[in-house]
Amino acid sequence: SQKIEQNSEALNIQEGKTATLTCNYTNYSPAYLQWYRQDPGRGPVFLLLIRENEKEKRKERLKVTFDTTLKQSLFHITASQPADSATYLCALGGGADGLTFGKGTHLIIQP
Amino acid sequence: DADVTQTPRNRITKTGKRIMLECSQTKGHDRMYWYRQDPGLGLRLIYYSFDVKDINKGEISDGYSVSRQAQAKFSLSLESAIPNQTALYFCATSREEWNTGELFFGEGSRLTVL
Repeated sequence: SQKIEQNSEALNIQEGKTATLTCNYTNYSPAYLQWYRQDPGRGPVFLLLIRENEKEKRKERLKVTFDTTLKQSLFHITASQPADSATYLCALGGGADGLTFGKGTHLIIQP
Repeated sequence: DADVTQTPRNRITKTGKRIMLECSQTKGHDRMYWYRQDPGLGLRLIYYSFDVKDINKGEISDGYSVSRQAQAKFSLSLESAIPNQTALYFCATSREEWNTGELFFGEGSRLTVL
């Protein structure tokens, strides 16, 4: 069965540094990959979508890469700020089952 | 006002009770979804609907039913709630095909079954 892995442990980053989150997958060939942000007690909020034929996508301080050979996506937040602290979810799509979400990585940006 | 509104936001009930979670949206999207989120398990799809006449089971539909009353309304029912249905439930909508476009989530309904 398809499996999505995100860092299970919290990621602690110092303010101003670049935070890099990883999303690995197996037994799947997604046509699309999405990243969402979720704050405690709130619904996920869409951040970026990247297609299988795209290697990189940027939006302001955010950058996503998608390597279909490595079966991996990296999510970068540059010049990180305490307000970036949240849980980040990756989601894979392109099959008949719609979007499949990872469990998320909890990011903590320390002042 | 929120584009995707869920009611109730919090509910505590007892085993065997019937529960309905409601979702309404003002985004004008045809596609609506119900997800469940559990610690350590992530978001899992319960049911989805691509239009008023279309209802489909998701990954974990057992024990749940849905009703699409209108384009803007999609309700999730637990006919006889059990403790392992304690979770955070999210309604979502999308404008495009579900695996290409972004999902717009509600704020969630936290359900506790005693």
